[in-house]
Amino acid sequence: DAGITQSPRHKVTETGTPVTLRCHQTENHRYMYWYRQDPGHGLRLIHYSYGVKDTDKGEVSDGYSVSRSKTEDFLLTLESATSSQTSVYFCAISETYQGTKGQNIQYFGAGTRLSVL
Amino acid sequence: AQSVTQPDIHITVSEGASLELRCNYSYGATPYLFWYVQSPGQGLQLLLKYFSGDTLVQGIKGFEAEFKRSQSSFNLRKPSVHWSDAAEYFCAVEGTTTDSWGKLQFGAGTQVVVTP
Repeated sequence: DAGITQSPRHKVTETGTPVTLRCHQTENHRYMYWYRQDPGHGLRLIHYSYGVKDTDKGEVSDGYSVSRSKTEDFLLTLESATSSQTSVYFCAISETYQGTKGQNIQYFGAGTRLSVL
Repeated sequence: AQSVTQPDIHITVSEGASLELRCNYSYGATPYLFWYVQSPGQGLQLLLKYFSGDTLVQGIKGFEAEFKRSQSSFNLRKPSVHWSDAAEYFCAVEGTTTDSWGKLQFGAGTQVVVTP
């Protein structure tokens, strides 16, 4: 399972409240990612990190922020949750395939189901 | 614009029958290609990947996929489906340029139902 733990696994919150999801990895991977999964859209990249304090935006970053203060933890924050952010959130790490630069494989956590009421 | 299309939202197949899931992409150059499977309530598991070389790729659980450059396709196949193959399947692509590394783009998924 690539040593990825997401917490919490389920959360229900109210519109306008802040929410933080945590992704923890145990294998010292440099790259980490946050995706959201919605029916009909597959998974879409929210933010990613390429090292401690190095992050960048993905396809659907509006309304989300991230932080990575240490290698093993990548946090996703919804500053003020909205109903449109009801989704399943997945964290991923990537490993280089057979040491070939640029050829990476992503492995996913079990996901966090977030409901914003 | 870059895109990944899985034309079939839902497929029903009988146990023991063959299965083919379609994936088409639109990219400036041949991307890296992946198939993932997701069982209910679970995360995504990598079935197989294509980086270069042999266009017929073998994966886990008896799956294979064939990359066809001329058709911009990467279709997934299994000769004989088992009930445990019921799941959602996602095709994903990643550009090969440095600014595309790690930015997987997913298709919408195909839900596979297996009947007795």
